[in-house]
Parts: sequence; C-alpha cells; structure tokens
Amino acid sequence: DGGITQSPKYLFRKEGQNVTLSCEQNLNHDAMYWYRQDPGQGLRLIYYSQIVNDFQKGDIAEGYSVSREKKESFPLTVTSAQKNPTAFYLCASSWEGYDTQYFGPGTRLLVL
Amino acid sequence: QQQVKQSPQSLIVQKGGISIINCAYENTAFDYFPWYQQFPGKGPALLIAIRPDVSEKKEGRFTISFNKSAKQFSLHIMDSQPGDSATYFCAASANPHGSSNTGKLIFGQGTTLQVKP
Repeated sequence: DGGITQSPKYLFRKEGQNVTLSCEQNLNHDAMYWYRQDPGQGLRLIYYSQIVNDFQKGDIAEGYSVSREKKESFPLTVTSAQKNPTAFYLCASSWEGYDTQYFGPGTRLLVL
Repeated sequence: QQQVKQSPQSLIVQKGGISIINCAYENTAFDYFPWYQQFPGKGPALLIAIRPDVSEKKEGRFTISFNKSAKQFSLHIMDSQPGDSATYFCAASANPHGSSNTGKLIFGQGTTLQVKP
C-alpha cells in the first residue's frame, strides 16, 4: 500500500523539550517537504529536501531542524527554540522536477 | 510577489448550488496551479490542477477557470453536495520543466466550504 505516513498522530511537548515528528514515504519520491498549518493561515513551508543528505530552509525554518539520511524518510525536530510550536504539521513528497505534492495525514503538536 | 490571495475565507452553499472560490497571484513565473481539498484532521489531497496553456479544466463536478491576463484562477464546484464540505486551498509554483529543481508550492489562506442539505 503506497503512501506517506506520519507519526505520531498527536504529540505533546513540555517546556524546553525537543520533539521529533516522523515522516516516511514508499512512493519512491525524490523530494520531501514539511509544512506548518495554523488556523486561517494556510500552509507554510518549514524545510524541504530534493535529494538525500541535502535540504533547504523554507519560509519559517527558525526553531526547527531536519535530516535526510534515507530517501524514504524526512524527520522534523521541533526544538526548544520554537516558542510557539502548537500547530498541525504536514509532510509531503513529490518526484524530482514535478510540481504535484502528495501529503501525509499530519501530526498535531500540542504544548503541555 | 510570492503571495497567493484566496477568497472568500468561508462560504456557505445550499445543496445543488455552485461553489466558487477565487485566487489571485502576482508572480508571472508561476506555471502550475493546483487546488487541494482538506477534511478536518486530515492532510490535503490534490483535487485538480491547471497550467497556463489552457483557460479551463474540468474533472467531474470540479472546474478550474484560469485568466492569465488578470492573474486569477478559480475553482467551481457544480451541484455542491454536503460531502464537499471541507477546506479548499489554491496554490501556485514556478517549476522549470526539465530542471532538477522542484518548485515550491505557495498556498492561499484557504476557504472553508459548508454545503447545507
């Protein structure tokens, strides 16, 4: 069954804690993306990666970090430097050079 | 210049009616315009997309109208159904074909559609 999986579905962060959101795809896509969604603001790009071991900052990268050690995996770490992390986080992927992005089911991050 | 402006923010339509959502952009390098549908608590799903070489694209009850000179595009949902109630996002990207660069999608702010039975 091909697709994009994100885990966990819900994640709780304590003050000063780093948390990592998982994103895995078995679509053989080259590019992967992380978006943040807040009510009424659409989707904003955090980081994206076009190839293994390479990634670029998006529009709101501060307080976040990523890695791309495998083609199918693109985890996002929300660091303690991100002061307002409560949001719905969406991972997406696409083939290199193609516009169409496919999204995962999302992870909702809440602060305790 | 990278923005995509979407309106209205919310829309209520009677079952069987036509839902119309509009988007406008400034960047003339944009060459791909998708619409995504998102249900609460789910990830967005691609609904329909258009490129500037055509003025209209239709898939079932969903139609994109594209006006290149006005730099506007819109989604029309014909015979709207309660199951269409969702948030709709327009987006745009500039992706040089044949290039190894993957175009970044710029999203509109979203429109929450409610179709009343």
